[in-house]
Amino acid sequence: RKEVEQDPGPFNVPEGATVAFNCTYSNSASQSFFWYRQDCRKEPKLLMSVYSSGNEDGRFTAQLNRASQYISLLIRDSKLSDSATYLCVVNPPSNSGGSNYKLTFGKGTLLTVNP
Amino acid sequence: DTGVSQNPRHKITKRGQNVTFRCDPISEHNRLYWYRQTLGQGPEFLTYFQNEAQLEKSRLLSDRFSAERPKGSFSTLEIQRTEQGDSAMYLCASSLQGIGEQFFGPGTRLTVL
Repeated sequence: RKEVEQDPGPFNVPEGATVAFNCTYSNSASQSFFWYRQDCRKEPKLLMSVYSSGNEDGRFTAQLNRASQYISLLIRDSKLSDSATYLCVVNPPSNSGGSNYKLTFGKGTLLTVNP
Repeated sequence: DTGVSQNPRHKITKRGQNVTFRCDPISEHNRLYWYRQTLGQGPEFLTYFQNEAQLEKSRLLSDRFSAERPKGSFSTLEIQRTEQGDSAMYLCASSLQGIGEQFFGPGTRLTVL
């Protein structure tokens, strides 16, 4: 099983649509979870952290289910500017079980929002 | 610009040559990371530094790869005897102490002919 698996995509949606991205991770001891956004030929940028209680930032809502090892991102009222690759990112524990600062990325899901 | 910077942005080299990339992190960040990204994949961790100490290296980092951060500020990544499989985007990121946001640089795109 891959460390982080995402919907393969791509997703093509009209403006104003609601789109959901799903992600699963293999290491149940993983400590931190993020969604990064990457525009074509650009560097990844943090979109939002994901907390156990779920969190919302404007049109974006992130959910974490530790029991199912599942992370989701919901985008409401999608805009043309939301077109990008969305990367699910996990911070797994180190081999010794302590803190680990490397990020493990999924392959990403490409979203295209059409006018 | 106070973000992470990387040089060069593009590098084309012939197989067997050595290449060196530079990363300048955000000035107050003490952690620096190198990742590699190939087409259609997410970034993969290579190595990271806390100040000048290299604390972890991925199995992806073969003996041909070496990274340094001599004064705890900028870092260099050298690839010796490049192979076509080394063609990728090499991304540098930095962060403050703790498990915080990693800020990425624009990357160096390497093409090995």
